Amino acid sequence: QKEVEQNSGPLSVPEGAIASLNCTYSDRGSQSFFWYRQYSGKSPELIMSIYSNGDKEDGRFTAQLNKASQYVSLLIRDSQPSDSATYLCAVNRDDKIIFGKGTRLHILP
Amino acid sequence: ETGVTQTPRHLVMGMTNKKSLKCEQHLGHNAMYWYKQSAKKPLELMFVYSLEERVENNSVPSRFSPECPNSSHLFLHLHTLQPEDSALYLCASSPGPGYEQYFGPGTRLTVT
Repeated sequence: QKEVEQNSGPLSVPEGAIASLNCTYSDRGSQSFFWYRQYSGKSPELIMSIYSNGDKEDGRFTAQLNKASQYVSLLIRDSQPSDSATYLCAVNRDDKIIFGKGTRLHILP
Repeated sequence: ETGVTQTPRHLVMGMTNKKSLKCEQHLGHNAMYWYKQSAKKPLELMFVYSLEERVENNSVPSRFSPECPNSSHLFLHLHTLQPEDSALYLCASSPGPGYEQYFGPGTRLTVT
């Protein structure tokens, strides 16, 4: 089992809809979880951090964490074409950040 | 300057050249990282430094040599590279190991 798993996509979502990105992780002891956005040819940009079970909202972004089920998700409301990018999930395991391979999101105008 | 900066942004080098990539962080962080990202591939962690001490070296070929003279600066020295080393090289920093990482813009390296 891979340490951090994401569906590679592409995930196609109509403009204005909610995009839902999912990530599962294998280490039950993981404590910190991060979402990064990476545009093609650019470096990853941190968009959300979440540390406790439940939801955390920041503007159009909501991160959801369920430690019992070992998954973390990112919801993007009112999706815009500018949200088209690869989204990387990252998990802290023993003071190491493990990145998933990313999900490509395509917002359809 | 703010955040994490990298120079040069683009580099073309021959297989027999020697060059260095530079990274500087202005965030007061204690940990710095080098990553390699090849086209359409995931991030590959190369080196980790915490408080200027190398704490991780992920089986990287010896033609890549890191140097961390202080907590704000990180170098990657390159020599006798191969064409398959062409990639985007990313530097990142964090308050400490396991904390959120902030990336620089990257150096696009092409080996001819």
